[in-house]
Amino acid sequence: DVKVTQSSRYLVKRTGEKVFLECVQDMDHENMFWYRQDPGLGLRLIYFSYDVKMKEKGDIPEGYSVSREKKERFSLILESASTNQTSMYLCASSFGQSGSSDTQYFGPGTRLTVL
Amino acid sequence: QKEVEQNSGPLSVPEGAIASLNCTYSDRGSQSFFWYRQYSGKSPELIMFIYSNGDKEDGRFTAQLNKASQYVSLLIRDSQPSDSATYLCAASSRYALNFGKGTSLLVTP
Repeated sequence: DVKVTQSSRYLVKRTGEKVFLECVQDMDHENMFWYRQDPGLGLRLIYFSYDVKMKEKGDIPEGYSVSREKKERFSLILESASTNQTSMYLCASSFGQSGSSDTQYFGPGTRLTVL
Repeated sequence: QKEVEQNSGPLSVPEGAIASLNCTYSDRGSQSFFWYRQYSGKSPELIMFIYSNGDKEDGRFTAQLNKASQYVSLLIRDSQPSDSATYLCAASSRYALNFGKGTSLLVTP
């Protein structure tokens, strides 16, 4: 079974703080993804990585950065948290080839509140 | 903009009926299509994927794909109250998936 874990289920931070969200997968997947999910807006892709140290911007990268130093670990960084970054953050991974291997497996999510 | 469109619902069906969820996509380059189920407060979990035109069945679930019409659907037979959730449709796009906003399904006893 694929397992994707995220460092925290719930997180409360203050405006201006630097926030790290960490994601780890145990299936040797090439691709990893960070999304945020807000009511009425669906899943929106922030960043993804298709190889170690390789990253690409998604649809809403502003205010975020990422780090992938090891294949199994993908971190999302909020350099200076703002209240509009209060959201559910979901990490996902996929094997990395076309067809069924596009399947993305999600972690449990981190509900971040920025006060 | 590569879009995946779904009716937001809620779609309400009685227990034991067939629930039909629909999705259209704009990117003709998409090769694979996925249905995820998401319970409130939880993360999405894969129900099934399809990449060939036609039907694919898995238990009570049937996915249907029509690439000419750019249309994907999910049928849930013998719907149960435990099927009440939001269903997300997704289409492949290079490395990533494009997700629809989801359809909320309510199965009433």
